[in-house]
Parts: sequence; C-alpha cells; structure tokens
Amino acid sequence: DAGITQSPRHKVTETGTPVTLRCHQTENHRYMYWYRQDPGHGLRLIHYSYGVKDTDKGEVSDGYSVSRSKTEDFLLTLESATSSQTSVYFCAISPSSGDSYNEQFFGPGTRLTVL
Amino acid sequence: RKEVEQDPGPFNVPEGATVAFNCTYSNSASQSFFWYRQDCRKEPKLLMSVYSSGNEDGRFTAQLNRASQYISLLIRDSKLSDSATYLCVVFMDSNYQLIWGAGTKLIIKP
Repeated sequence: DAGITQSPRHKVTETGTPVTLRCHQTENHRYMYWYRQDPGHGLRLIHYSYGVKDTDKGEVSDGYSVSRSKTEDFLLTLESATSSQTSVYFCAISPSSGDSYNEQFFGPGTRLTVL
Repeated sequence: RKEVEQDPGPFNVPEGATVAFNCTYSNSASQSFFWYRQDCRKEPKLLMSVYSSGNEDGRFTAQLNRASQYISLLIRDSKLSDSATYLCVVFMDSNYQLIWGAGTKLIIKP
C-alpha cells in the first residue's frame, strides 16, 4: 500500500470553529489532492497541489484553504466549519498528471462531524 | 445532469453468478476511464482501467462504448469478497482531473 496517512481519523467539532486536516505521504509523489465524499455524490475535488507551494482550486473549494510547505505534507483547513462540511475527507497522491492519467492512491480518510 | 452517472443499487447477487453494471458519462471529449472499488468505510482503490478495445483481468471485464458514452463492468463467478461499491471514474484531459460517479453497491450473498 502507498504510504499515505491522514490525521485525525475522526473529529467532531462545533460550527464556527477552524479545523485543520493533515495528509502525510512517504512516496515523494508530486501531486496531492483533497476530496470529500458524501452520500449520493461521487468524490468531489476540493483542492489539489502540483508541488510545494503550488495549489489550485477544485470543484468545491469554497470554505476551504490548503497549504503545502513540504512535499510530504498537504494541509486542508476549514476556516469556519459549517454543518454542510460534515463529510468524509480523503487525501490522494499521484506521481504525475499532465497529459496522461496516473493512478491516484488514497489515504484512509477522515470522518468529520460539524455540530 | 451529473457528468458521470451510475445506478446506486444495491445489486443483490448470489455467489457464483455473473453481474454487470454500467456507467454513463456526459462529456464526449473524456479521454480515460477507470473502475475503482471501495469497501465499506475504506478508501477507494483502482480496480482496472478501461481501454477502447475492452479488457479483462481475471473474472473482471471492462468495456467502453464511446458512441453511446457508457462504460460497463462485468464480474463473472462472483465471490463474497466482491461485495463492495464500484466507482466509475472519468479522466478529463481538459483540466487533468478525475470525475467520479457516486458508485454502485454490490452485495454478494452465499
């Protein structure tokens, strides 16, 4: 299995509080992604990174920010958590993207509940 | 209309049977297609890529029909361990991103 960890694995928080989720990889892959998964929806891309300090928005980026100061770490921050952000969050990594697809490997996920 | 659509199921199938499910996609310019498998409360994992000529991996066969814009997955001689949710995924070469279907849940019964 690819070396990807996510922390925390579970979190319950209150509306209005900031929350940071961490993704850590040991594969030295260039690309890292944050997705959310909700019932009835496919995985939806929040933000992704194509290198240290290089990030871009995905389909559902409102209310989220990211940072990547090191190749191995990709942080997702909910600035002020809302109940609509209750979800399962997956981090994924890929060796490259560009003009051809490379398999994405996923972390175990973080279950976030916002009360 | 969702960009990638799947029948959510669940498909309840007896062990040893053959099961097939389809996925439709809306963007005719989509370049690459995949099936991922996701076990309950686990992360998705790549099952197989889908090639234009169709491809097989053991008991699994994937087909692509570009004219009708659908992808299929066939599982023969189903095992209890095949119980999972199968996710259809399309790679958009316009923005190098993956578009995910919501998944089809498969339950294999003894």
